[in-house]
Amino acid sequence: GAVVSQHPSWVICKSGTSVKIECRSLDFQATTMFWYRQFPKQSLMLMATSNEGSKATYEQGVEKDKFLINHASLTLSTLTVTSAHPEDSSFYICSAREAGENSPLHFGNGTRLTVT
Amino acid sequence: KQEVTQIPAALSVPEGENLVLNCSFTDSAIYNLQWFRQDPGKGLTSLLLIQSSQREQTSGRLNASLDKSSGRSTLYIAASQPGDSATYLCAVTERRYGGATNKLIFGTGTLLAVQP
Repeated sequence: GAVVSQHPSWVICKSGTSVKIECRSLDFQATTMFWYRQFPKQSLMLMATSNEGSKATYEQGVEKDKFLINHASLTLSTLTVTSAHPEDSSFYICSAREAGENSPLHFGNGTRLTVT
Repeated sequence: KQEVTQIPAALSVPEGENLVLNCSFTDSAIYNLQWFRQDPGKGLTSLLLIQSSQREQTSGRLNASLDKSSGRSTLYIAASQPGDSATYLCAVTERRYGGATNKLIFGTGTLLAVQP
């Protein structure tokens, strides 16, 4: 089945530094990838939609200059948390859809970010 | 604004029991509904996807139903096993202008514990 690989699975960084998270579709091409954020005991909130070869579409309230998204190829999207602060600590999950509107979304295993 | 609610928030059952998880949504204009499983600290695994025109989908011991008019979906798990212990999330894809949006709106999940 379709596999989405997310790396790293966890990262600890100091406040003020930047962290890059990678999301790869391993056996299919994904023109669109999605980035979600999940706080403890809460549901997933869509942050942005990443489109290959064009700018990402951000949800209301998500700072595009803080959460930089790059979708340079059909199999790779990256999320960079710039100048991270402790309140950015969260679980970040990417997902990708195979071709076709009726295709299910496949999710990565998530990245646990802790900013100290 | 679409809101997705899941009841109960947590459920504990003895091994072998059949159980039902509930999901409700406020706007019936959905494109599809998807059930996911999330293990602690992990990403999401897609279990079942029901198109808006369908009433139910089955996969092994899982059966998901959809009643769009009443804004409800159920996930039925037969003969539960300890390995079924996880958080179960439902999510709807909204319909706009005859097609699907890219946005999945998640419920807050049901934490299931199956006791051996």
